[in-house]
Amino acid sequence: EVQLLESGGGLVQPGGSLRLSCAASGFSFSTYVLTWVRQAPGKGLEWVASISGNSGIKHYADSVKGRCTISRDNSKNTLYLQMTTLRVEDTAVYYCARVMGSFSYYFDVWGRGTLVSVSS
Amino acid sequence: QSVLTQPPSMSGAPGQRVTISCAGTTSNIGAGYDVHWYHQLPGTAPKLLIYATNNRPSGVPDRFSGSKSGASASLAISGLQPEDEADYYCQSYDRSLGVWVFGGGTKLTVL
Repeated sequence: EVQLLESGGGLVQPGGSLRLSCAASGFSFSTYVLTWVRQAPGKGLEWVASISGNSGIKHYADSVKGRCTISRDNSKNTLYLQMTTLRVEDTAVYYCARVMGSFSYYFDVWGRGTLVSVSS
Repeated sequence: QSVLTQPPSMSGAPGQRVTISCAGTTSNIGAGYDVHWYHQLPGTAPKLLIYATNNRPSGVPDRFSGSKSGASASLAISGLQPEDEADYYCQSYDRSLGVWVFGGGTKLTVL
């Protein structure tokens, strides 16, 4: 069974840092683009960042560019999101997802999410 | 303000057919990029419902269908059931912004 499981969320003060992890199983991890999508409380979905299978291509939303770094360890089947200089508006559930498609890409498998709360 | 525009809420009675719209622009849906749909039950993660405009992943009933015309897309749900009560999101790619974009979501209530 294809599964993604996030961890690493928690309560952090503004300006703080956090590293999220996403452990994958059930598929050939290194051959897929992966992504992070977040959802603020009571709000819609927002794409955050994505990374290619060999880590050669990374993209970020403007809202996190310069403050977040997406990475992966294909030997551990794990995706990461290093978040720094956190802001109150970064408070959200962060989901990792597997990317599928060609030309038009979609997210076919999602994790359960991990909650990041930024508050003083 | 979401790049793709969806109605915030819709409702329908069991057995009815509802259609959720997703309006884009010439930078995303109108540029030829496919539209994908997700639903999200309360307190759970989003789940892929329709991909590439009108394709259903394994396990999704054929009550769900998608379409696209110009810069807009629609998700139709026929034979509405109580378990269809959820939030629905459309998603595409915007070539001007260079990012994947979502609609603001539509909360569907089954009366």
